[in-house]
Amino acid sequence: DTAVSQTPKYLVTQMGNDKSIKCEQNLGHDTMYWYKQDSKKFLKIMFSYNNKELIINETVPNRFSPKSPDKAHLNLHINSLELGDSAVYFCASSPINTGELFFGEGSRLTVL
Amino acid sequence: GESVGLHLPTLSVQEGDNSIINCAYSNSASDYFIWYKQESGKGPQFIIDIRSNMDKRQGQRVTVLLNKTVKHLSLQIAATQPGDSAVYFCAERQGLTGGGNKLTFGTGTQLKVEL
Repeated sequence: DTAVSQTPKYLVTQMGNDKSIKCEQNLGHDTMYWYKQDSKKFLKIMFSYNNKELIINETVPNRFSPKSPDKAHLNLHINSLELGDSAVYFCASSPINTGELFFGEGSRLTVL
Repeated sequence: GESVGLHLPTLSVQEGDNSIINCAYSNSASDYFIWYKQESGKGPQFIIDIRSNMDKRQGQRVTVLLNKTVKHLSLQIAATQPGDSAVYFCAERQGLTGGGNKLTFGTGTQLKVEL
């Protein structure tokens, strides 16, 4: 069983479209995250939820909206996609107050 | 061989040699540091961690050293193997009062193991 699974793995879309990436973890962790990795491999946190509550919201355009229906799921919806949104988006989870994050395999978003 | 993660993003070593990957962190209030390994096409994977009240921690073939005076972290890999080829990230943690962690990742160093 995959611990942190995200779908889709690849997403190619046109500028201006709206898309979603879904994430599920079966580890029983309280905290989930979205990270963005750019073409230079730089990993930056976007959002973090703890038990369905938003606790980290970095400076991210409000076109990005996370949603956590329950503590095992954290989805990311992106409106009006721009070229600069092209990146690999990683979902992760962790037990509360540990630094050991368990990452998904990533979702590669390409905006044309 | 040695590499400073922020300035020399690629480190090439011969199989069987020891590797040293360096990282400078920015926040003196960070209380916890972690090394992650990211293989091509995969998500980062936890390797080893160290708390700020320690200066050395050993795992299987890996050792992390922490020098808080100069805000420097290093990862030593003994007897480097082809399977160690990956990008290595250091990360520093700032704890949050509401729970959860904010991990700030370093730039990353590509380790290439030559046969």
